Amino acid sequence: ETGVTQTPRHLVMGMTNKKSLKCEQHLGHNAMYWYKQSAKKPLELMFVYSLEERVENNSVPSRFSPECPNSSHLFLHLHTLQPEDSALYLCASSQGAGGLSEQYFGPGTRLTVT
Amino acid sequence: ELKVEQNPLFLSMQEGKNYTIYCNYSTTSDRLYWYRQDPGKSLESLFVLLSNGAVKQEGRLMASLDTKARLSTLHITAAVHDLSATYFCAVDMGNNAGNMLTFGGGTRLMVKP
Repeated sequence: ETGVTQTPRHLVMGMTNKKSLKCEQHLGHNAMYWYKQSAKKPLELMFVYSLEERVENNSVPSRFSPECPNSSHLFLHLHTLQPEDSALYLCASSQGAGGLSEQYFGPGTRLTVT
Repeated sequence: ELKVEQNPLFLSMQEGKNYTIYCNYSTTSDRLYWYRQDPGKSLESLFVLLSNGAVKQEGRLMASLDTKARLSTLHITAAVHDLSATYFCAVDMGNNAGNMLTFGGGTRLMVKP
């Protein structure tokens, strides 16, 4: 595997379900990010992890819970979502800590909440 | 709050023509990125602009950054169909801990034969 991978690629879940999105980066980066891309809004930054510590949470509802167990893996745990949470969720990574660099994006998870 | 505005939001152009996409932003920053997104695909990095006056070119695309005007442009020269995609600019307000990107709304480009 190369670059940034995400699983699953598609997910349909009911409002009472609990599911998790997984992201893995194979680039040796030390910062990882979750974004939400919905049809009616620009790409929104949700969470930033640098050296496995959360450094930014852009007022995201608590029904989204991130986890970063190591610098290569990032999860987004989902529970009691709403239909308006249906969107494309993109993971990205960069060599963030200690220097600024471009972000590399994964293919995304298309989430539908029914 | 940082705001990033792109225009136009939609652009239909003929092959062989030239055009410019504009990206305006509201807060001082000297780091700006351009990305391309094909339908159903993820974002592909095109350009990284890290200083005032930065200009980068790749094939038929050229990007520039004017930090005093808070403006970046993406110029398309002699467009071809393969350039059809959505283009995003993103302004970075991050620090050594990581990037904090705020994206523009995107410009959907359609190049017609």
